[in-house]
Amino acid sequence: DAKTTQPPSMDCAEGRAANLPCNHSTISGNEYVYWYRQIHSQGPQYIIHGLKNNETNEMASLIITEDRKSSTLILPHATLRDTAVYYCIVRDSGAGSYQLTFGKGTKLSVIP
Amino acid sequence: NAGVTQTPKFRVLKTGQSMTLLCAQDMNHEYMYWYRQDPGMGLRLIHYSVGEGTTAKGEVPDGYNVSRLKKQNFLLGLESAAPSQTSVYFCASSYPQRGEGGYTFGSGTRLTVV
Repeated sequence: DAKTTQPPSMDCAEGRAANLPCNHSTISGNEYVYWYRQIHSQGPQYIIHGLKNNETNEMASLIITEDRKSSTLILPHATLRDTAVYYCIVRDSGAGSYQLTFGKGTKLSVIP
Repeated sequence: NAGVTQTPKFRVLKTGQSMTLLCAQDMNHEYMYWYRQDPGMGLRLIHYSVGEGTTAKGEVPDGYNVSRLKKQNFLLGLESAAPSQTSVYFCASSYPQRGEGGYTFGSGTRLTVV
């Protein structure tokens, strides 16, 4: 699986959009970009994933660059409950691909 | 739906004691996993299973054993606990199909070995 690079920490004002970047310059054609978050030692929570196209769900939006070497997770209106560590993970999601490798992620602090 | 349920939530063991952590999922997922997380670090894969009756080693398998006798359950055993196994243990499950959504994690078991 390709490696990812994320900033160790970020701050965001409550109510503003939080934009979390991730670099994955060695991503291969069949690898997806996944985002998870972990709130204060709870179990990680799946947020969103994508292959090429931008994706949006009820939690967030995922913007993937055309060359797929980087992506941005967008929380449109950050709340205090969004304070967490956010993990960007690149992996093949097909059958036989089972290991999810977690790095250190980005610690997002939402400030009142 | 309960999702992924882990029991117990907390446990203190003495060095040398044994215990079993239970993970149960009600989503009919084929794949199940056990991870450990140490302070300030990411999750590391201990063992995983791609189906009932099958198990395989992950990144840090030493000192642990697992069993998947039923599709919905994945057990993690510590035969002789050591202080180095003090950690938070997370179980997860997932579908294997390409493009499918992500893992579902349990809330964790906090284990202290003294």
